[in-house]
Amino acid sequence: ELKVEQNPLFLSMQEGKNYTIYCNYSTTSDRLYWYRQDPGKSLESLFVLLSNGAVKQEGRLMASLDTKARLSTLHITAAVHDLSATYFCAVIKAAGNKLTFGGGTRVLVKP
Amino acid sequence: EPEVTQTPSHQVTQMGQEVILRCVPISNHLYFYWYRQILGQKVEFLVSFYNNEISEKSEIFDDQFSVERPDGSNFTLKIRSTKLEDSAMYFCASSGSRGGLNEQFFGPGTRLTVL
Repeated sequence: ELKVEQNPLFLSMQEGKNYTIYCNYSTTSDRLYWYRQDPGKSLESLFVLLSNGAVKQEGRLMASLDTKARLSTLHITAAVHDLSATYFCAVIKAAGNKLTFGGGTRVLVKP
Repeated sequence: EPEVTQTPSHQVTQMGQEVILRCVPISNHLYFYWYRQILGQKVEFLVSFYNNEISEKSEIFDDQFSVERPDGSNFTLKIRSTKLEDSAMYFCASSGSRGGLNEQFFGPGTRLTVL
């Protein structure tokens, strides 16, 4: 059974500083997704990472994938209040099509 | 920009009642999904649907649940006899492909409250 674990579960950030969220998964997969969820809202797709060594960047967020280590990271550069949300990673097992989500990382950026 | 829509946004029902949650996926997508999220917890897969049949389902998706694509645009989730533990946010998603990107786009969700 595919397991996806994120850490930390909660991240209190100071504006302007850099932080990293980690996502580990347990079985072979080469498709990893990052989503953002604001309270009471739906899931917004941030990144799709399809291959080993993939790196994607959008604004202050950068995601990378190491399929050999079964690890993805979401790096936040110079955090700002607007980035406060819960971030989920999700993995699709090879040859499958269902997303298995991590537990989420709740991010709170304080001034 | 095309998006997935869901109705209703909030449904309150009594235990034992049937509910139907409705979704309109993105129009040229071929794969449809239901996920649920119990308050404060992670998102869990329920079922995927392709070519008018279920392609995969989780252990949560028992005989009380069914899905249907009654016409060319709607995709529904029916819960036959709701239980208290069915209270959750239910998200519909759709994607255009199975392999490759298979990026799934989520609707705004239906909050189901079972009393």
